[in-house]
Amino acid sequence: AQSVTQLDSQVPVFEEAPVELRCNYSSSVSVYLFWYVQYPNQGLQLLLKYLSGSTLVESINGFEAEFNKSQTSFHLRKPSVHISDTAEYFCAVTPLTGTASKLTFGTGTRLQVTL
Amino acid sequence: GAGVSQSPRYKVAKRGQDVALRCDPISGHVSLFWYQQALGQGPEFLTYFQNEAQLDKSGLPSDRFFAERPEGSVSTLKIQRTQQEDSAVYLCASSPGRRSNSPLHFGNGTRLTVT
Repeated sequence: AQSVTQLDSQVPVFEEAPVELRCNYSSSVSVYLFWYVQYPNQGLQLLLKYLSGSTLVESINGFEAEFNKSQTSFHLRKPSVHISDTAEYFCAVTPLTGTASKLTFGTGTRLQVTL
Repeated sequence: GAGVSQSPRYKVAKRGQDVALRCDPISGHVSLFWYQQALGQGPEFLTYFQNEAQLDKSGLPSDRFFAERPEGSVSTLKIQRTQQEDSAVYLCASSPGRRSNSPLHFGNGTRLTVT
């Protein structure tokens, strides 16, 4: 079984400031890792994923996450946030050997960007 | 192109009523998932279909929950004799592949409120 811990339920930050959203996971098998974003009244959208290769992955809107196997972490970072980044962010994992993307999610971190 | 469509968007049911939630996945997507998202929580897996076959229903919380996908496209999640603890957002997701690294596309969800 897998579990995902997002320690920060809310992260307030000023526009143009850097941000880090933390994610730690527990699993007895190797996993794929994901970050999803949920804007108000919308469904989940894939932000970025780690499947293999370089441990640093990037999204098209400036977010990045680094897979750290020894610390079982997959923290999400952005060097300069924008008002439009205000949303709920979910970290998720799924086993490599599973037959489908049965995701285990964390409880989410609400990023609130203000002027 | 068209994404995953869920209806109704909102549903209010009196305790004890039966409800049916519909999911139209992206055309041609083999895999279909249902997740339940309680207020302030991350989504939790309910059930998984590969075409018309329900391969995993380990997340269904009780025998009041039933899902089907008879022709391998549209899926319906039915909840019988609704209880207040069933109040949540029900998310449907589809995926083009069968493997765990196949990307998930989520609908906007159905918010069920049981009074």
